[in-house]
Amino acid sequence: DADVTQTPRNRITKTGKRIMLECSQTKGHDRMYWYRQDPGLGLQLIYYSFDVKDINKGEISDGYSVSRQAQAKFSLSLESAIPNQTALYFCATGGTSDSAYNEQFFGPGTRLTVL
Amino acid sequence: RKEVEQDPGPFNVPEGATVAFNCTYSNSASQSFFWYRQDCRKEPKLLMSVYSSGNEDGRFTAQLNRASQYISLLIRDSKLSDSATYLCVVSPIYNFNKFYFGSGTKLNVKP
Repeated sequence: DADVTQTPRNRITKTGKRIMLECSQTKGHDRMYWYRQDPGLGLQLIYYSFDVKDINKGEISDGYSVSRQAQAKFSLSLESAIPNQTALYFCATGGTSDSAYNEQFFGPGTRLTVL
Repeated sequence: RKEVEQDPGPFNVPEGATVAFNCTYSNSASQSFFWYRQDCRKEPKLLMSVYSSGNEDGRFTAQLNRASQYISLLIRDSKLSDSATYLCVVSPIYNFNKFYFGSGTKLNVKP
């Protein structure tokens, strides 16, 4: 089984709808991240969390919110989806709180289309 | 200037060739460096971490040049299965919220 899973894998929605993307991990990592990837661009950080009570904005958090329901679960919400949020979204985990190493491990991605 | 810059390619090479990519970074405080492999529409997968001067894993070698602020990835004896996009990622160590991703270098290995 995959260490980092994301649901749904594909989603088509309409402008103005609220949607939630979910991420679960079995790696036992404290650090979790949400990124978006647009064609030809590097990954951009939306939100990150270093433990259940810690939520932080990344570089492009406007229009998004997150919830860290447990160590293993980190969900991303689009409160009112707009077409320029069409992108590939990745969840990633990155180690325990006492680890000095910062390799990241990515989920399979959610392809989101906003019409 | 971008934090991390990569030649987008594509690099088209025959099977068995040796190919090298460079990645330049702008922040001299950067301490940890990674190469990820990303297949089309799939997630990035960690290929190599570079915490000191370099790292080698089979056919893959990563070298770090701090003076010139670049890291390189060398692939020897290219396989068809090496065809992918290679992402360079740079981060200040102990700073787990700062990861600068390059936009990737595309490699096509031809029969």
